[in-house]
Amino acid sequence: HVQLVQSGAEVKEPGASMRVSCKAYGYTFRDFGISWVRQAPGQGLEWMGYINTDNGNTKYALKFQDRVTLTTDTSTDTVYMELRSLTSDDTALYYCARDWGAKAKVIADQWGQGTLVTISS
Amino acid sequence: DVVMTQSPLSLPVTLGQAASISCRSSQSLVYSEGNTFLNWFQQRPGQSPRRLIYKVSNRDSGVPDRFSGSGSGTDFTLKISRVEAEDVGIYYCMQGKEWPYTFGQGTKLEIK
Repeated sequence: HVQLVQSGAEVKEPGASMRVSCKAYGYTFRDFGISWVRQAPGQGLEWMGYINTDNGNTKYALKFQDRVTLTTDTSTDTVYMELRSLTSDDTALYYCARDWGAKAKVIADQWGQGTLVTISS
Repeated sequence: DVVMTQSPLSLPVTLGQAASISCRSSQSLVYSEGNTFLNWFQQRPGQSPRRLIYKVSNRDSGVPDRFSGSGSGTDFTLKISRVEAEDVGIYYCMQGKEWPYTFGQGTKLEIK
């Protein structure tokens, strides 16, 4: 049973950094990549970036390129998304989604449960 | 970036009636090997997005056959043949031809 389980909700102050994890279950981790998508309150879906879990290569949306880092830990089948210099505009639900990989040509076929990050002083 | 434009943005539908959502991309979504990377997602209230359709017309496992996708090039359509109460939510098209992936604005389906 394929599952992506994300870390719990966080509250951060403006200017701080956040790190959300996405742990994979039920499939061969390195065969698939992981994308991150966020959703501000009442808004649509916004793609942030992608990591190839086999070789660590990444792609980032231009908007986040200077503030986001995706990393992978193949020993625990976990991907991490770090976002720095947080502002109130970063308040959102953050989702990870299984994606294109070394051996699997899929796009966003499985999603995590979402992690709510609230930026507040 | 590829711009995805959906219509309508709001879709009130009577139970049992058909519904149709249009999605247009700013450039062709046909990839070099001939695949077209257009996906449809459903997001029910309070839930994560769920992929319904991939590569224009392929239903994901467990998706009822009342959902169908069609289209080519830059114009795509998601159809629900007979809307049920569980179909309430927001529907998004998304292109996966190139990075950055981009989504349509979303279409909110509600029951009249």
